[in-house]
Amino acid sequence: GDSVTQMEGPVTLSEEAFLTINCTYTATGYPSLFWYVQYPGEGLQLLLKATKADDKGSNKGFEATYRKETTSFHLEKGSVQVSDSAVYFCALTRKAAGNKLTFGGGTRVLVKP
Amino acid sequence: DTAVSQTPKYLVTQMGNDKSIKCEQNLGHDTMYWYKQDSKKFLKIMFSYNNKELIINETVPNRFSPKSPDKAHLNLHINSLELGDSAVYFCASSHIPGQSFSGANVLTFGAGSRLTVL
Repeated sequence: GDSVTQMEGPVTLSEEAFLTINCTYTATGYPSLFWYVQYPGEGLQLLLKATKADDKGSNKGFEATYRKETTSFHLEKGSVQVSDSAVYFCALTRKAAGNKLTFGGGTRVLVKP
Repeated sequence: DTAVSQTPKYLVTQMGNDKSIKCEQNLGHDTMYWYKQDSKKFLKIMFSYNNKELIINETVPNRFSPKSPDKAHLNLHINSLELGDSAVYFCASSHIPGQSFSGANVLTFGAGSRLTVL
């Protein structure tokens, strides 16, 4: 079945540091890929998405590129802020799998001033 | 104003009790979901309803029974609560893209309902 693997956290950074969270997936066909973010005490929010190979999703300074050859969708941000402290989830859906959203295990990011 | 709202936000109860969590969405979406998030933040889908019809039913104990009275509501009833049911339960909704549309299925989540079973 479909699966998503992302690096375990916590990832602790200083403000203005570069952030990368690795995400790889296993799925047949052509899934859509997502990053969701969960701020403390809140529900999940869509951060960005990409629906086909080589697409780049971007939002709030975050970027991720859909790499079919490496089945990856790594999340990057060039200069993090304290307000970026959250748990980040990589996820995928496939129409052939009933559009079910399958999540990775989440990566907690802590940005210190 | 809230797009996906769940009640209650917090629920503390004894083992063996029966409890319900309610969810409503005002986005006009046709599909609703329940996800369970454990203490390690791992998220797993439990159920999904499309136009009031059950379309996803993962391996969940039959003590959990979802009910969708209409497209805008999906409630979760849990019988004979156990310690392992303690978690945060998230409701979500989406509009499933048509077969001819290449867009992605984007879910909107509620704020979560934290269930603690003592």
